[in-house]
Amino acid sequence: KAGVTQTPRYLIKTRGQQVTLSCSPISGHRSVSWYQQTPGQGLQFLFEYFSETQRNKGNFPGRFSGRQFSNSRSEMNVSTLELGDSALYLCASSLAGTGVTIYFGEGSWLTVV
Amino acid sequence: GIQVEQSPPDLILQEGANSTLRCNFSDSVNNLQWFHQNPWGQLINLFYIPSGTKQNGRLSATTVATERYSLLYISSSQTTDSGVYFCAVGAGGTSYGKLTFGQGTILTVHP
Repeated sequence: KAGVTQTPRYLIKTRGQQVTLSCSPISGHRSVSWYQQTPGQGLQFLFEYFSETQRNKGNFPGRFSGRQFSNSRSEMNVSTLELGDSALYLCASSLAGTGVTIYFGEGSWLTVV
Repeated sequence: GIQVEQSPPDLILQEGANSTLRCNFSDSVNNLQWFHQNPWGQLINLFYIPSGTKQNGRLSATTVATERYSLLYISSSQTTDSGVYFCAVGAGGTSYGKLTFGQGTILTVHP
């Protein structure tokens, strides 16, 4: 079956703009998580959604937001982009419940200039 | 929050050598996964192993949950094994899809 699909794969934005990234989970997976990867901070958890509700949130400013739709697809939005938001944004999906395998998409490479 | 430390940070091998990567974590976990990040950035699942031992071809992993560490073994390494290896853990309770990652081990295998 198809894996986790993220779009777009690459994008360049200007400081001050906003960006929306999309994630389609593996069929049947209802939990979607987002992560940010930068050379300096490594991989950091942004937030997790389950059944259209945010279940967990990482330590990021309010400019980072997300949502999940009824078909489990998820989007994340970053407003008022800063140079430091340049990163690889990874989406992951899993079945509901604790202690389950989490699968990642290929990521969206965001460059802010 | 839970802390995850990986060692060594860098590892350089000749093709055919064996290696052991270590992951220490600071608290009880109900989820532990090893990933290989490919050059295009995707995290590829290697093992889901909150406890016990698993093997998959030349790779194997062991987690000793009571002592809060996990080991990833790579035998007869190949150049295609190069990349970054991450250990990630999830704690109990309501952490669900939240994983805390180590800083990774950069593995370089020379022909």
